[in-house]
Amino acid sequence: DVKVTQSSRYLVKRTGEKVFLECVQDMDHENMFWYRQDPGLGLRLIYFSYDVKMKEKGDIPEGYSVSREKKERFSLILESASTNQTSMYLCASSSGQGTYEQYFGPGTRLTVT
Amino acid sequence: GESVGLHLPTLSVQEGDNSIINCAYSNSASDYFIWYKQESGKGPQFIIDIRSNMDKRQGQRVTVLLNKTVKHLSLQIAATQPGDSAVYFCAENKETSGSRLTFGEGTQLTVNP
Repeated sequence: DVKVTQSSRYLVKRTGEKVFLECVQDMDHENMFWYRQDPGLGLRLIYFSYDVKMKEKGDIPEGYSVSREKKERFSLILESASTNQTSMYLCASSSGQGTYEQYFGPGTRLTVT
Repeated sequence: GESVGLHLPTLSVQEGDNSIINCAYSNSASDYFIWYKQESGKGPQFIIDIRSNMDKRQGQRVTVLLNKTVKHLSLQIAATQPGDSAVYFCAENKETSGSRLTFGEGTQLTVNP
């Protein structure tokens, strides 16, 4: 089974702090994605990556950056956290080989105070 | 029970009834559709997918129907059980978007014993 893990289930940070959210997948998937999930807004794509050291902006990249130094790891960075970044963050991966199915991690509930 | 319209945030059914969750998609060029189930506190999990060259696909207790004429997707759950209570998302892959998925806002299904 594909396993996608995220470094924290719950995180509380202060406004202005730099925040790192880590995601690791164990199935050698090419593609990795970061979403945020807010009530009534569904899942919105922040950034994604099709290969190591490669990144592309999603629909809401402002205030975020990402890093993919190794194939299995995709990090989301909030350079200076703000209260409007309080949300559930979901990481996903997909093989990119004949299917678009994405496998999701359990999510990180981030609260910025 | 059945959700209607573009989306209905909640659907409540009795245990044992059939459930129908509806989804309208945006792009006539989309060639792949997928349904996810998200239980409270967990990441979305794959239920079933369908490609645009099909009208219907069946899984275990679930059926997905695709009507390309009106750009409508539905998920039917037979003999709904309490364990089916969750938020259900549809997602589409647009032909020009690589491996990205675009998600709907989700429907909360509640199964009453």
